[in-house]
Formats: sequence, structure tokens, C-alpha cells
Amino acid sequence: DTAVSQTPKYLVTQMGNDKSIKCEQNLGHDTMYWYKQDSKKFLKIMFSYNNKELIINETVPNRFSPKSPDKAHLNLHINSLELGDSAVYFCASSQGTGYRTSGTYEQYFGPGTRLTVT
Amino acid sequence: AQKVTQAQTEISVVEKEDVTLDCVYETRDTTYYLFWYKQPPSGELVFLIRRNSFDEQNEISGRYSWNFQKSTSSFNFTITASQVVDSAVYFCALSFISNFGNEKLTFGTGTRLTIIP
Repeated sequence: DTAVSQTPKYLVTQMGNDKSIKCEQNLGHDTMYWYKQDSKKFLKIMFSYNNKELIINETVPNRFSPKSPDKAHLNLHINSLELGDSAVYFCASSQGTGYRTSGTYEQYFGPGTRLTVT
Repeated sequence: AQKVTQAQTEISVVEKEDVTLDCVYETRDTTYYLFWYKQPPSGELVFLIRRNSFDEQNEISGRYSWNFQKSTSSFNFTITASQVVDSAVYFCALSFISNFGNEKLTFGTGTRLTIIP
């Protein structure tokens, strides 16, 4: 059973297109995240949702829009793709609420989606 | 500012040697959590350990051990009797409270470990 799954695994598209990446977790976790890993392997958080509510929104271009239809899903939609968007995007989930008062828990990551913009 | 430094960009050792991956962190929080993750060549990120700032006991899990020292702000990771399957990029991470009160994870830049058969 896959705990955190993402689709697609690979995504090749042209500049200017709009694309979506889907993420689902079956761990019963309340909080989900999107991270971007660049070509130098640097990992940076983009968004965090707790029970469908946005709780972290880093300095990310507004071409990126997360959507959480329910607490088991967090999708990432990207408009007007640019060359610099090429990266691996990871979805993650954790048991906590995203606030330390509820406890800090490890995050479980999906397999990643390698996005290549040409 | 919250920061995680993994000064070793790449390490290569011969199989069966022991190897230590260094992690140094900076934080103003008195309560914080530290993590290690493994990213094998297949690309997924695998959770290895979580440690809170009040627990300085060293931890051992099979061939893996972690040494947490608040006095030097370090959380080092040692692999004993390394194996080829240990080849991966290893990330150290620190959780901290953002200005908005929520919790965020900041990652180090990773150490690429290659085990030579």
C-alpha cells in the first residue's frame, strides 16, 4: 500500500502551458505539504494545508495554486509554466496540525514528480 | 534565523567502513525538532529519525546511530559497517515556528554518500 502517492511521476511540457500534479495520502494525516527540490537537491517548502485549510504559503509565484478537496488530497496547479519551474515536486503529509502545540511529527513524502519545462 | 548546515557535500567510503555525516543547526527556539531523511537514487525521501531538543540521548538503530549535542548545535549521523545500499543523499532538517505561529521544516543542502564496493 502506497502511503503518499503522486501523479504523474514525470511531466514534460512546454512553456506557457498549465499543468496539475495530484497527491493523495492514505495515512489519515491531517496536514499535507508541497515541496520543491531544485537541480542542486535543495528542498524548500511551498505550501502546507491542515484539514483543507492553507497554513503555510511561502513566497511562491501566484501561478502556483494548491487545492485541497479533502484532507487526504492536495493537488498543485501551475499556470503559465516557465523554464525555471523545472524541478522535482514532492508532496508530504504528517500527523500534526502544522502548529507545534499539537506536537511535531515526521513528514512522509511521496515519490516526487519530475517536471521538465521545455 | 533558522539554518541547517551540512558542510560535507559529498563523501565516498569503501564498503564496510564507518562514516559520519555532520549536521550543524542554528535556531532561537528553545523547543525544536531535528530530523534525518534519506534520498536514495530512486528519488523518494525516507524518514530516518526525529529528535526533540530536550532529549540528548544518543540513539542507535541497527547500523545507524545519531549523536545529538546541544552544546555544539550538532546532530551527527553515523553509519557503521557501510553497505552499498546506504548510497544516497542524506538530509538533516530542523523544525521551527514561523512568524505566523505555524511550524515549518528547513532542510540542509544534503550530503551525497557513495559506498564503493
